[in-house]
Amino acid sequence: TQLLEQSPQFLSIQEGENLTVYCNSSSVFSSLQWYRQEPGEGPVLLVTVVTGGEVKKLKRLTFQFGDARKDSSLHITAAQPGDTGLYLCAGVLNTGKLIFGQGTTLQVKP
Amino acid sequence: GAVVSQHPSRVICKSGTSVKIECRSLDFQATTMFWYRQFPKKSLMLMATSNEGSKATYEQGVEKDKFLINHASLTLSTLTVTSAHPEDSSFYICSASDRDRGTYEQYFGPGTRLTVT
Repeated sequence: TQLLEQSPQFLSIQEGENLTVYCNSSSVFSSLQWYRQEPGEGPVLLVTVVTGGEVKKLKRLTFQFGDARKDSSLHITAAQPGDTGLYLCAGVLNTGKLIFGQGTTLQVKP
Repeated sequence: GAVVSQHPSRVICKSGTSVKIECRSLDFQATTMFWYRQFPKKSLMLMATSNEGSKATYEQGVEKDKFLINHASLTLSTLTVTSAHPEDSSFYICSASDRDRGTYEQYFGPGTRLTVT
């Protein structure tokens, strides 16, 4: 069974602080995706990382894929209340299935 | 492009009744559709994978006779929760992918909130 361990599961910070969310697995994925989900809505894809060691930036969000393609991180700089939500990492198997991490509920207080 | 809709967005039903949830790909042909279940503030749990015209493949622990999945066309998949009970109350999300695009990217629907009273 392939698992993706995501941490932390809950994070409450003040506006302006930085944070990092981690996803780790003992399995290799063909690629890894990060999603953000608002309450009562479906998840929205933020980024897909494919190459080991790859770094992608999306405004204040920086995504990194581990060299061995088993782990990934999401770093948010100067968090804002609008960043509040559930962040999900998902490993993509070569069958197309997604293996989701447990999710990180982020609350950014103004 | 790549919009997926779900209907209804919310449904309340009485214990013992069945309820059908539709998932539609609006602007592409979905060769594969996935059904997920999500509990509050928890992650998505894959229930089953369905390919158009064939039987769905269910994940371990998911009762196929309780959660009936039909993928009769390239733009529509349905999930029917049969003889629903309060423990079936959850947020159900579908996603769709089109392998003809050469990518496994899944496009998610907005979800359906099921409450069984």
